[in-house]
Amino acid sequence: ELKVEQNPLFLSMQEGKNYTIYCNYSTTSDRLYWYRQDPGKSLESLFVLLSNGAVKQEGRLMASLDTKARLSTLHITAAVHDLSATYFCAAYNTNAGKSTFGDGTTLTVKP
Amino acid sequence: DGGITQSPKYLFRKEGQNVTLSCEQNLNHDAMYWYRQDPGQGLRLIYYSQIVNDFQKGDIAEGYSVSREKKESFPLTVTSAQKNPTAFYLCASSIRTGLDYTFGSGTRLTVV
Repeated sequence: ELKVEQNPLFLSMQEGKNYTIYCNYSTTSDRLYWYRQDPGKSLESLFVLLSNGAVKQEGRLMASLDTKARLSTLHITAAVHDLSATYFCAAYNTNAGKSTFGDGTTLTVKP
Repeated sequence: DGGITQSPKYLFRKEGQNVTLSCEQNLNHDAMYWYRQDPGQGLRLIYYSQIVNDFQKGDIAEGYSVSREKKESFPLTVTSAQKNPTAFYLCASSIRTGLDYTFGSGTRLTVV
């Protein structure tokens, strides 16, 4: 069974600082997703990472994938308040044909 | 524009009642899913369907039922057997099972 662990689960950071959210998964996966959720809202797709070494960037967010380490990271550069949200990763289990979500990382960016 | 629509946005249920949450998509996606989210928690899979007239239980199916009579629709019924139904319910669809989800805007269910 594929398990996905995110850490930290809660992150409070100051504007302008950098930080990384980690997403570990337990078995082979060939596709890793990152989503953003604002309070009370739905999930918005941010990135899909398809291969080892894949890196994608959008604004102050950069996601990467290391399939050998079974690890994806979401790096936040020079955080701003608008990035405050909950971020989920999800790993696709090829054998089961479904994706498994992590518990989410709630990010709060303070002035 | 293609998308996935959930209704209602807010729903109140009395003790002992069954309620049905609607999920409709016009993306021509084969697979559809229902997730439950509790405050400060991740997503837990209730049911999913890969094709019309077929569906499978997820991790927390007890107290819930679904149907998939049309490709576009995947309604979720929260039965009286679900003892703690207050939560945020998210419906999603994907062109193939497990890949590239599109989420609806969610239904917040409260027991009164």
